[in-house]
Amino acid sequence: IVMTQSPDSLAVSLGERATINCKSGRSVLSSSDDRNYLAWYQQRPGQPPRLLIRWASTRESGVPDRFSGSGSGADFTLTISALQAEDVAVYYCQQYYNSPITFGQGTRLEIK
Amino acid sequence: QVHLVESGGGVVQPGKSVRLSCAASGFIFSGYSIHWVRQAPGRGLEWVAIISSDGTTTHYADSAKGRFSISRDNSRNTVYLQMNSLRPEDTAVHYCARGHAPGSFLIDFWGQGTLVTVSS
Repeated sequence: IVMTQSPDSLAVSLGERATINCKSGRSVLSSSDDRNYLAWYQQRPGQPPRLLIRWASTRESGVPDRFSGSGSGADFTLTISALQAEDVAVYYCQQYYNSPITFGQGTRLEIK
Repeated sequence: QVHLVESGGGVVQPGKSVRLSCAASGFIFSGYSIHWVRQAPGRGLEWVAIISSDGTTTHYADSAKGRFSISRDNSRNTVYLQMNSLRPEDTAVHYCARGHAPGSFLIDFWGQGTLVTVSS
């Protein structure tokens, strides 16, 4: 399943909203459990990725509530409601619906 | 807490082999699948392989099929990635990562990675 993110890079002012989109080549919504097999990861410079959101919208423990995920089927969005300096990173979406697991190409988020 | 430590990276000549190791701690290792994911310098994430918790089931990316082999030793809490016939395009940081639950392809924790550089 091909995963395509937009934009490739994004510059947002501190305190402003950042929105990253992810489109999958086919639906990742399972008819058996009505769940979207879509995750979002954050990779800060020099660090491994960190899981932020699973099932398209379930935030991981410890992830600030300014991060939210939405969408269903083949179109998804990661929103950061009020950008903080520590949010500078590359963000990846990933489908875990089937093998091979695939990631989006990444969106680089910077401070304007 | 969950801890994954990769080792075995370094500079390798094209056509040669290398074996990466991933040592796990902080969780019941035998209950989780383990992935390898790589990242070429300045590039995005590329999934490589997964091995089930009991080691009986494996899946590979097309780029790894026939050249790479994933295995595990649950008595040593360690997963391995044997990489053969290496090419310059295999140059990457290789991460091991924990699968969230049996039968799930979701990755929940990542190691720090080990760099493999394929160069003559």
